[in-house]
Amino acid sequence: EIVMTQSPATLSVSPGERATLSCRASQSVSNNLAWYQQKPGQAPRLLIYGASTRATGVPARFSGSGSGTEFTLTISSLQSADFAVYYCQQYNNWPTSFGGGTKVEIK
Amino acid sequence: QVQLVQSGAEVKKPGASVKVSCKASGYTFTSYGISWVRQAPGQGLEWMGWISADNGNTNYAQKLQGRVTMTTDTSTSTAYMELRSLRSDDTAVYYCARGSRIAATGPSDYWGQGTLVTVSS
Repeated sequence: EIVMTQSPATLSVSPGERATLSCRASQSVSNNLAWYQQKPGQAPRLLIYGASTRATGVPARFSGSGSGTEFTLTISSLQSADFAVYYCQQYNNWPTSFGGGTKVEIK
Repeated sequence: QVQLVQSGAEVKKPGASVKVSCKASGYTFTSYGISWVRQAPGQGLEWMGWISADNGNTNYAQKLQGRVTMTTDTSTSTAYMELRSLRSDDTAVYYCARGSRIAATGPSDYWGQGTLVTVSS
């Protein structure tokens, strides 16, 4: 099973600043990687798939990059609605697997 | 609009079974699959398995093989997940999510609201 490692576990950012979240795969997953946002008490929401394609309705301030084993989710200018937990998911190999999450909190 | 509406919270005793439903609307049910993902309290996301709503093919996580069964009822556009021999570490929020029709892997673009299953004596 491919292990997905996210860093940092917690990221403290001020509103308006840039946030950079990392996700590393234990072996190559090509570009078959998704990012999800989860707020307390809510279901995850798909943000990015194919490593860099924004899902329907996702604001342009969210961008994804990377391929192989190293991936990045960037939020260009954090808004209050963006403080949440973010998960990456690889779907290149069975079984699909999620990272442990990065919590983005208000600094 | 696409919606997945799940059944309500359940409290079960160890050793019992639970069956969670997920009713889909706003799209052609048989053109997609349904994945099930669970989240223990304060923990991350764990993929449980997938079913194609087109042909009923299933794919389960190895650790749940033998205890989980996923089914669909195309007449009502509803997916079901049954988990048997419940243990305390099965306590979690269970989510259904729309995915690929043909592959167990793939991103999930719409999610149900979640169903809390509590296993306690």
